[in-house]
Amino acid sequence: AQTVTQSQPEMSVQEAETVTLSCTYDTSENNYYLFWYKQPPSRQMILVIRQEAYKQQNATENRFSVNFQKAAKSFSLKISDSQLGDTAMYFCAFMKHATGTASKLTFGTGTRLQVTL
Amino acid sequence: NAGVTQTPKFQVLKTGQSMTLQCAQDMNHEYMSWYRQDPGMGLRLIHYSVGAGITDQGEVPNGYNVSRSTTEDFPLRLLSAAPSQTSVYFCASRPPGTGAYEQYFGPGTRLTVT
Repeated sequence: AQTVTQSQPEMSVQEAETVTLSCTYDTSENNYYLFWYKQPPSRQMILVIRQEAYKQQNATENRFSVNFQKAAKSFSLKISDSQLGDTAMYFCAFMKHATGTASKLTFGTGTRLQVTL
Repeated sequence: NAGVTQTPKFQVLKTGQSMTLQCAQDMNHEYMSWYRQDPGMGLRLIHYSVGAGITDQGEVPNGYNVSRSTTEDFPLRLLSAAPSQTSVYFCASRPPGTGAYEQYFGPGTRLTVT
């Protein structure tokens, strides 16, 4: 079974600054996918960024980027130029590459990020 | 497209009552799932389906039933509600296949069992 660990329950960052959220995972799989989801106070789950384990290049999406270290089983999220709208709970999630069956998400416990003025 | 819709948004039940949480998607996604979100525990998979007529258990299936008679709908049934089922419930769907496809989540149902 896979496990996902987010060791920072809460973080705070000032507007326009950079913050990094940590995520580690444990798996015996070689092919898998990793995701960061954002959950603002509206409760809606929003995909922020995704990474395929077979790709060495770190994924980026505008102000969001990841540092994927496969050997260390680490998948951190960097948010640059933080904005008030980034205030949310952030979840790291793992999905096994599974042929022929639904690939299920395993979530971490989340990091609550507060962006302040 | 409406995406993934869930009804109701809020529900209060008494212990022992039954109810069905509705989930529908209009994206023709074969894969659908139900998760529950509890404080400090992230989201945990309850049941999932890879297509009409096919369902399977996730991590925390006890106390819940599902069926999938159409591609669009995936209802979650609580047969006899318990306080431990107080949670926020999310339905999700995604296209089939083995790629890093995004799961699309509904807005959630907040359920309180007293």
